[in-house]
Amino acid sequence: KQEVTQIPAALSVPEGENLVLNCSFTDSAIYNLQWFRQDPGKGLTSLLLIQSSQREQTSGRLNASLDKSSGRSTLYIAASQPGDSATYLCAVHDYKLSFGAGTTVTVRA
Amino acid sequence: GAGVSQTPSNKVTEKGKYVELRCDPISGHTALYWYRQSLGQGPEFLIYFQGTGAADDSGLPNDRFFAVRPEGSVSTLKIQRTERGDSAVYLCASSFFSGAPTGELFFGEGSRLTVL
Repeated sequence: KQEVTQIPAALSVPEGENLVLNCSFTDSAIYNLQWFRQDPGKGLTSLLLIQSSQREQTSGRLNASLDKSSGRSTLYIAASQPGDSATYLCAVHDYKLSFGAGTTVTVRA
Repeated sequence: GAGVSQTPSNKVTEKGKYVELRCDPISGHTALYWYRQSLGQGPEFLIYFQGTGAADDSGLPNDRFFAVRPEGSVSTLKIQRTERGDSAVYLCASSFFSGAPTGELFFGEGSRLTVL
């Protein structure tokens, strides 16, 4: 059974600092990995999708890397802003998504 | 529609009652997923549809839970004899299927179920 772990569980940084969120998974036989953002009381918003053949994906201030062989992905958010405060979820896709518990980020103005 | 639509957004019911939650996926998406999310946890897989058929229902916790997708579009998650432990947010997602389930998943806003 796929197990997905996200570290740290919570993170608080001052505005402008770069964020580094970690995700690890136990079974490397995945199709892709997806990072989501979730605001309180809301659904999930897809941020980045990395196919298993890719090493990284970038969108604006966001960059996600994937090392399938070691079962790791990292989400980098550059120059954080208060609007980046949310819970970030990592999910691996082996035809269904298996999620980590998320990292709750607070960016202080 | 433009996105995945779920109704109701909130449902409060009494223990023992029957509940239906509806999901309307993005037009053209043949893959549809149901997840359940408890407070402070990541979403937990319940069931996956490819077209009209349930390709994997291994996440349904017991036989009180059932889901259908009769025409390959709208899906309904049905919960019989609800228990307080069923209280959670039920999320629906859809994706485009191109021969392999590798597409990006798009989620609805969820249906928050509270069982008193």
